[in-house]
Amino acid sequence: KAGVTQTPRYLIKTRGQQVTLSCSPISGHRSVSWYQQTPGQGLQFLFEYFSETQRNKGNFPGRFSGRQFSNSRSEMNVSTLELGDSALYLCASSESSSLEQYFGPGTRLTVT
Amino acid sequence: GENVEQHPSTLSVQEGDSAVIKCTYSDSASNYFPWYKQELGKRPQLIIDIRSNVGEKKDQRIAVTLNKTAKHFSLHITETQPEDSAVYFCAASPSGNTPLVFGKGTRLSVIA
Repeated sequence: KAGVTQTPRYLIKTRGQQVTLSCSPISGHRSVSWYQQTPGQGLQFLFEYFSETQRNKGNFPGRFSGRQFSNSRSEMNVSTLELGDSALYLCASSESSSLEQYFGPGTRLTVT
Repeated sequence: GENVEQHPSTLSVQEGDSAVIKCTYSDSASNYFPWYKQELGKRPQLIIDIRSNVGEKKDQRIAVTLNKTAKHFSLHITETQPEDSAVYFCAASPSGNTPLVFGKGTRLSVIA
């Protein structure tokens, strides 16, 4: 099976703009989770979608949002970008539960 | 909620020696404990996981042990090789429908 894919791989945005990141899970996987990875903070959970519904949400401001489509592909959106949003954004998919997650390569977002 | 602490944050070993990374968790309901390896510039990869109904699991040179009473689990790598150099993350989850909570990572360097 093909692995988890994410697009774009790199993105440079200006403060105040918005951005949309995309994640395609492994075929047959219905759960998609999103994480923000920054040096020193490790992997911080953003949200999880399962069958087009947000099942869990982390402690991030409302500027961070997401959605999942009927084919399990997921997008996350960050509005009104801040410098502190610069990070590697990883998505991970799993079959149904939140366990045994498989990560995509990530999108490196730089906010200037 | 769950809190996972990981130690040490950095670890250097000579090639051929063993490496041990320890994690403690706070939620006694946690029952799934995966370990991920992230090489520089790459995605985190699931290398081994353990569920609360077993105390130890091995896969070639890596093993994970779990002490539910003390609420800690450890990753053991024997006969380390330079390609084991990476950042290792532990995680814990109380159930299949709750998010994984990650430790902050351990940077392992294997010196040839």
